[in-house]
Amino acid sequence: AQSVTQLDSHVSVSEGTPVLLRCNYSSSYSPSLFWYVQHPNKGLQLLLKYTSAATLVKGINGFEAEFKKSETSFHLTKPSAHMSDAAEYFCVVSDLTGSARQLTFGSGTQLTVLP
Amino acid sequence: DVKVTQSSRYLVKRTGEKVFLECVQDMDHENMFWYRQDPGLGLRLIYFSYDVKMKEKGDIPEGYSVSREKKERFSLILESASTNQTSMYLCASSYPRRQGYEQYFGPGTRLTVT
Repeated sequence: AQSVTQLDSHVSVSEGTPVLLRCNYSSSYSPSLFWYVQHPNKGLQLLLKYTSAATLVKGINGFEAEFKKSETSFHLTKPSAHMSDAAEYFCVVSDLTGSARQLTFGSGTQLTVLP
Repeated sequence: DVKVTQSSRYLVKRTGEKVFLECVQDMDHENMFWYRQDPGLGLRLIYFSYDVKMKEKGDIPEGYSVSREKKERFSLILESASTNQTSMYLCASSYPRRQGYEQYFGPGTRLTVT
């Protein structure tokens, strides 16, 4: 069975400082991993995905994540936070087995960006 | 771009009412999903469908049913709404199970049951 743990429910940073959102996963097989973002009262938007190619994945809006198999981690980073980055972020895992139900979601990390 | 639309953004219903939430996608995706989202719990899968008239239970199917009569449309039905079904409901769609194929989400329906 696969699972995802987002290590921080809330993260607060100042505008212009780096962002780190932490995610650990558990999967029986080689997983696919995703980060989604949800702005208030909106649906989820895909930020980036890892699918067994390069371990450092670049996404939209300057975000990137590094897949570390030895640490079973997929942390999301951004060098410089912007006010518009304030949102909830979900780490998601999908493995190769199972039926059409592909994704397991973390419980989310709320990112606050202070002026 | 993939577009997933949901029939209502906000809905208020009374306890005991039958509630229909509609979802339509325009990318000919085989798979469609219904989730509910509650603070601190992330997204939990209610039901999914991998083909017309085919459905499977997710993690929390109790109190819900679904219908998929056409490929592009997936409906979630609350047979007798209860206050504990007050939540944000999100629909998603994707291509068949293949590594790396992400799900595309609709904007959500915030349902309040009074």
